[in-house]
Amino acid sequence: DIQMTQSPSSLSASVGDRVTITCQASQDINKYLNWYQQKPGKGPKLLIFDASNLATGVPARFRGSGSGTDFTFTITNLQPEDFATYFCQQYDHPLLTFGGGTRIEIK
Amino acid sequence: QVELQESGPGLVKPSETLSLTCNVSGVSINSYYWSWLRQPPGKPLEWIGYMYPGGNTNSNPSLRSRVAISVDTSKSQFSLRLTSVTAADTAVYYCARYKSETGSYWFDPWGPGTLVTVSP
Repeated sequence: DIQMTQSPSSLSASVGDRVTITCQASQDINKYLNWYQQKPGKGPKLLIFDASNLATGVPARFRGSGSGTDFTFTITNLQPEDFATYFCQQYDHPLLTFGGGTRIEIK
Repeated sequence: QVELQESGPGLVKPSETLSLTCNVSGVSINSYYWSWLRQPPGKPLEWIGYMYPGGNTNSNPSLRSRVAISVDTSKSQFSLRLTSVTAADTAVYYCARYKSETGSYWFDPWGPGTLVTVSP
């Protein structure tokens, strides 16, 4: 199984801040990495696919990068609606796995 | 707009079978992969399995012996059956479209999720 180690598990930030989340795969997954946002009581929402491609309708302040085993997710100019939990997910088939999640809280 | 909605019992007894249905609207269910996922309290998301109507299926090896995913195209629904449940199967269960485009794959959209508790 490919393990996804996501960090940090939580962070506090203010509106306007830049925040960065990392995800490390236990083996090479090429670019097969997606990022999701989840708000309480709702299903996750796709933000980035293939490590760096913005999903339709997602603001440009969200950015992803990386390949192989090390990936980064960045939000620049944090907005009030961005306070949520974020997950990475790898799809190096046949087994799909998720990172543990990062909760972004208001400082 | 593609929308998914899970439905089913919120409480299941140990050793019994968990059954959930996902209603799909806004798109033909025949044209995509469909998936079930879950999130136990305080734990990461876990992929359960996916299927393509009339074709390919795949499931998490850790659950494979207990899982069945099926589709009813006439009702635009797909279903999950998980047998011999224990307290470890308590989780919020999500259905999602597993989309494929030029070799890329992602889950989008997701249903809002439904909490299933396994308890006597």
